[in-house]
Amino acid sequence: SQTIHQWPATLVQPVGSPLSLECTVEGTSNPNLYWYRQAAGRGLQLLFYSVGIGQISSEVPQNLSASRPQDRQFILSSKKLLLSDSGFYLCAWSVLAAHEQYFGPGTRLTVT
Amino acid sequence: SQQGEEDPQALSIQEGENATMNCSYKTSINNLQWYRQNSGRGLVHLILIRSNEREKHSGRLRVTLDTSKKSSSLLITASRAADTASYFCATDAQGRGADGLTFGKGTHLIIQP
Repeated sequence: SQTIHQWPATLVQPVGSPLSLECTVEGTSNPNLYWYRQAAGRGLQLLFYSVGIGQISSEVPQNLSASRPQDRQFILSSKKLLLSDSGFYLCAWSVLAAHEQYFGPGTRLTVT
Repeated sequence: SQQGEEDPQALSIQEGENATMNCSYKTSINNLQWYRQNSGRGLVHLILIRSNEREKHSGRLRVTLDTSKKSSSLLITASRAADTASYFCATDAQGRGADGLTFGKGTHLIIQP
């Protein structure tokens, strides 16, 4: 069966510090991968998606970046965090675009 | 702009009652999906309804889709305390391709014991 992992579960970082969040998927090959951010009490905002290794598309211009160094690994990064980067970050995968998505447990990021 | 908009934003009912949530969207879709999110957790896929379907059932869930009104509803029958969660609709937009789904802001459902 397929599983998706995210870490860390929680993170408190000062403004201006770097960020690296990791997501890995097991039990499937060549998944579509997604990074979302969810502000408190709000819906999900799609940040990045990837259809293959090294292929990243950005939905929202910001100081975040994403990389996919391996087929089932998706990384969200920042060189310098802003207060506005605080939120709940969710990674998800799907077999095909517009099909059901399977979400990881999320990372709660607080920038202080 | 937000593709899916759920209403109400919050709903509180007694255990055993039925809960109905609605979703409206703006552009033509291939399918519409509903997800549940327990507090502080990831989303869980509940049901997918295609644009050529009008109604779909899964256990205590019933989803309807009216493409002429660009709206969908999620009905949870005989609610239980464990149904307390936020519920999101998500749509793909025809022609968007690999960038997947657009989620609404959700309905926060509270089941009172």
